[in-house]
Amino acid sequence: AQSVTQPDIHITVSEGASLELRCNYSYGATPYLFWYVQSPGQGLQLLLKYFSGDTLVQGIKGFEAEFKRSQSSFNLRKPSVHWSDAAEYFCAVGPSGGYQKVTFGIGTKLQVIP
Amino acid sequence: EAGVAQSPRYKIIEKRQSVAFWCNPISGHATLYWYQQILGQGPKLLIQFQNNGVVDDSQLPKDRFSAERLKGVDSTLKIQPAKLEDSAVYLCASSLRRTRPDSGELFFGEGSRLTVL
Repeated sequence: AQSVTQPDIHITVSEGASLELRCNYSYGATPYLFWYVQSPGQGLQLLLKYFSGDTLVQGIKGFEAEFKRSQSSFNLRKPSVHWSDAAEYFCAVGPSGGYQKVTFGIGTKLQVIP
Repeated sequence: EAGVAQSPRYKIIEKRQSVAFWCNPISGHATLYWYQQILGQGPKLLIQFQNNGVVDDSQLPKDRFSAERLKGVDSTLKIQPAKLEDSAVYLCASSLRRTRPDSGELFFGEGSRLTVL
């Protein structure tokens, strides 16, 4: 069964500092990977996705993520965090074909301090 | 383009009562999902529809939860009778195509927050 592990429940960074949120997945073949962001009281918004090709993918709001097959990881990064990035971030995985069931991780809550 | 619409946004009920949530997906989106998000956890898929047929309901507690998507457009999720552990945010999402994952981005509504007392 597919699964996603986000080892960091809560991360605090200073505004302007770099950010890396970790995500490890378990899936038998090449997965399709996603990062979503959820602001308080809101639904989830897609930041970026990986299906194939270049393993470094760019997303919205200055985020990027790198797919590393050997490490079963898909970490999210941002070089300089803004206060508005404070939110909860979810990594998700889906299968490569057929009807797609997307499985989400538990989420990482990001706090940004001045 | 209008997003995924959900109602009500908030609902408070007593245990053993019933509740229904409504979702209207983005126009033209064939696939509709209901996720349950308990505080501190990631979204868990309850049921997935392709048009008006059920694709996956393996995690839907069928003794108390039911969902339908008549005419393949909007959908209703019902809980009867509710339990304390059903307190959660119920997220509806839709996507355009199912057999092509590269176009399978899920678009989420703002969710319906249920509190069971």
